[in-house]
Amino acid sequence: NAGVTQTPKFRVLKTGQSMTLLCAQDMNHEYMYWYRQDPGMGLRLIHYSVGEGTTAKGEVPDGYNVSRLKKQNFLLGLESAAPSQTSVYFCASSPRRQGPSQPQHFGDGTRLSIL
Amino acid sequence: TQLLEQSPQFLSIQEGENLTVYCNSSSVFSSLQWYRQEPGEGPVLLVTVVTGGEVKKLKRLTFQFGDARKDSSLHITAAQPGDTGLYLCAGGRGLGGGATNKLIFGTGTLLAVQP
Repeated sequence: NAGVTQTPKFRVLKTGQSMTLLCAQDMNHEYMYWYRQDPGMGLRLIHYSVGEGTTAKGEVPDGYNVSRLKKQNFLLGLESAAPSQTSVYFCASSPRRQGPSQPQHFGDGTRLSIL
Repeated sequence: TQLLEQSPQFLSIQEGENLTVYCNSSSVFSSLQWYRQEPGEGPVLLVTVVTGGEVKKLKRLTFQFGDARKDSSLHITAAQPGDTGLYLCAGGRGLGGGATNKLIFGTGTLLAVQP
């Protein structure tokens, strides 16, 4: 029962390098999200997706791109990494249902350092 | 812009003590969730409250949603070392289409319970 799986778990990049973070969920959830977590700031939404082939900007989208080509996968890309993007990145998913907020299921995070 | 402020930011207490964590906002939310996060892992949902004034209990944890749905509190009775972790509140906002899956996370409260 994997839930939400993020790869890689750790990565160190040099300024200007690019990389892609992969998120995979096996719960058939429609919604997927990418957050970054920085000390004292909680979790901030970068981008999200309400279904396969759709993406939308969150609170802090600059410097990131995303793609949702398959329902189970949500990719986060950094085209030209900057030290300000050093953070812990979390992917989450939730079902699409009417009514109160559904629980979001999180992966264990990717710790990314930009030198 | 951080819409949800949590206090205190850090809390270190002895086993058996009681504590309260506060989550405050100037904005109204459709629902309020509380998550707990342990080191190296993603947040895990504890509870969702949806009605102003609602109180929910989860063993030694009591959650309350403010009457105006702008604030919430988490009270832990007789804290145990297993309660140690980062506590995050998250306010629910709409994504459109009636679904309310967009969450605004609070700044977090780091709790350490000493044996």
